[in-house]
Amino acid sequence: DTEVTQTPKHLVMGMTNKKSLKCEQHMGHRAMYWYKQKAKKPPELMFVYSYEKLSINESVPSRFSPECPNSSLLNLHLHALQPEDSALYLCASSQGTRGVFQNIQYFGAGTRLSVL
Amino acid sequence: GENVEQHPSTLSVQEGDSAVIKCTYSDSASNYFPWYKQELGKGPQLIIDIRSNVGEKKDQRIAVTLNKTAKHFSLHITETQPEDSAVYFCAASRSGTASKLTFGTGTRLQVTL
Repeated sequence: DTEVTQTPKHLVMGMTNKKSLKCEQHMGHRAMYWYKQKAKKPPELMFVYSYEKLSINESVPSRFSPECPNSSLLNLHLHALQPEDSALYLCASSQGTRGVFQNIQYFGAGTRLSVL
Repeated sequence: GENVEQHPSTLSVQEGDSAVIKCTYSDSASNYFPWYKQELGKGPQLIIDIRSNVGEKKDQRIAVTLNKTAKHFSLHITETQPEDSAVYFCAASRSGTASKLTFGTGTRLQVTL
């Protein structure tokens, strides 16, 4: 099973709202990722967590706040977003331990976010 | 940082023909090269990958080749079917327990009947 589950599938929010995106995996992976994908563009890395610690932040604005409460769960807290933040937000996970499979990233179906 | 270029941006083939998508990368330290297929409304799905110690890998109708010297890698799909229609992304990364994937710009493949 290589399933990464993201909720909700769709989210509409106003610029003053606070919302959260959720990502879950039960593959025992120790690395989890948030990507942002605009229409007709490739995914762009936002954050990487390794063993529940933030290891990469690609200079993402502070209105996006990641959280990794445990090894199976990754959240992305959203506050005071702008319309240009509307995009597909993808979560991925990888084994995160040394070995031949360490790099392989499995993606969820994404949350399509619209900011009004 | 790594930069991955991908060509063509769109590709239309007839059912049963072959399709080839090419990528180049800039970071000589990159050693892992996956290919993802993304259908409308879905997340990217890994279809095949190759590591720098291998020159070619095949899985049924799909094959990937890697030329480390030229920093090129390519995806080959034979006997294309309508369900192969999707956007395909190549990517590159270094080894590491939590590595950044840098994606190419994507190729929209259309398989016509």
